[in-house]
Amino acid sequence: RKEVEQDPGPFNVPEGATVAFNCTYSNSASQSFFWYRQDCRKEPKLLMSVYSSGNEDGRFTAQLNRASQYISLLIRDSKLSDSATYLCVVNMIFGNEKLTFGTGTRLTIIP
Amino acid sequence: SQTIHQWPATLVQPVGSPLSLECTVEGTSNPNLYWYRQAAGRGLQLLFYSVGIGQISSEVPQNLSASRPQDRQFILSSKKLLLSDSGFYLCAWSVSPKTQGYNSPLHFGNGTRLTVT
Repeated sequence: RKEVEQDPGPFNVPEGATVAFNCTYSNSASQSFFWYRQDCRKEPKLLMSVYSSGNEDGRFTAQLNRASQYISLLIRDSKLSDSATYLCVVNMIFGNEKLTFGTGTRLTIIP
Repeated sequence: SQTIHQWPATLVQPVGSPLSLECTVEGTSNPNLYWYRQAAGRGLQLLFYSVGIGQISSEVPQNLSASRPQDRQFILSSKKLLLSDSGFYLCAWSVSPKTQGYNSPLHFGNGTRLTVT
């Protein structure tokens, strides 16, 4: 099993729709979780951290399910500018300096 | 506020030539520093990370090396480039877990797109 696994997509979603993706992780002891977005040929940028109780930032909602070892990202009222690759990031060992990236889920919002 | 600078933005080098990519961070002290590589259409691969001056951990065997001569400077080098070294190289920093008690997110530089010909 991969350490961090994402559905690569692509997800092609009409503008205004709601879309959600999951990311599974293998180490039940993982403590820190993040979502990044990466535009084509650009560096990844932090979208949001994922907290145990779930958190929301505008149209974006992140959830953590420790029992099933996955995190999710929900995007409501999707915009054309949401088109990007979304990367899931997990620290596999608490206190370890390394964060492990998923390979990303590609999202295209269709006008 | 903290900023990270990485240069050059693009680089075309022949096989067998040396490489030096530099990254500096401003506005923070004792950051963790990282070098990642992203091959075309692939995920990010961690190459090196550093928790302090002179402290380098290598994640994958390769013909690359890293150095941290100063607290906020991280350098990626190679003596002889291979075709397989082509890719998008990203430097990143984070607050040390020792400082903050949990993993803080990574903040990336703009990246260097390296083409080895």
